[in-house]
Amino acid sequence: DAGVIQSPRHEVTEMGQEVTLRCKPISGHNSLFWYRQTMMRGLELLIYFNNNVPIDDSGMPEDRFSAKMPNASFSTLKIQPSEPRDSAVYFCASSFSSGHRHNEQFFGPGTRLTVL
Amino acid sequence: QKEVEQNSGPLSVPEGAIASLNCTYSDRVSQSFFWYRQYSGKSPELIMSIYSNGDKEDGRFTAQLNKASQYVSLLIRDSQPSDSATYLCAVNVAGGYQKVTFGIGTKLQVIP
Repeated sequence: DAGVIQSPRHEVTEMGQEVTLRCKPISGHNSLFWYRQTMMRGLELLIYFNNNVPIDDSGMPEDRFSAKMPNASFSTLKIQPSEPRDSAVYFCASSFSSGHRHNEQFFGPGTRLTVL
Repeated sequence: QKEVEQNSGPLSVPEGAIASLNCTYSDRVSQSFFWYRQYSGKSPELIMSIYSNGDKEDGRFTAQLNKASQYVSLLIRDSQPSDSATYLCAVNVAGGYQKVTFGIGTKLQVIP
């Protein structure tokens, strides 16, 4: 079975440019999470969706960040305009939620973003 | 106080020894606890989940949960150099539906 798929794997861009990261969750999973990881702050949850609906976006740093999930098999995280402090590894994860149990999340390979 | 606390390490153990990784959390009503392993340059990989007080064993790994003390640990028996990685503790957030919070991670070094 294919795991979580992310693209691109690496992105180098210049400050001020728009960046779009893409994620395809595991088929059948109904929750999707976007994380950012840096050495200083560790793994931070940016936003998560359940059944394509954003549930909690309190981790989104500011208005420059936006995320969408138009259907069950695709999500995007957009940064516009990008800044050097956005440089990090961005992970997408998915899980299947059933009842009240907080289920296991499976991570994609990540996108390493460098903003010059 | 951070929601999930781990010692960042590094924790160095000799090959064949038991590695003990610890994690404390602040939310008393947390119900789900996870350990992820992350190799350098790779994504986190789930290795253990635990939901009830006590021990849960899976091969060389044992997760221990003590909700009264708000403490969860991971023991790795017969540590191997291939176990050298960062181990992330994750805890669900009360009322957070599917949301979990990750600790900073403990870097483990197994010395041959």
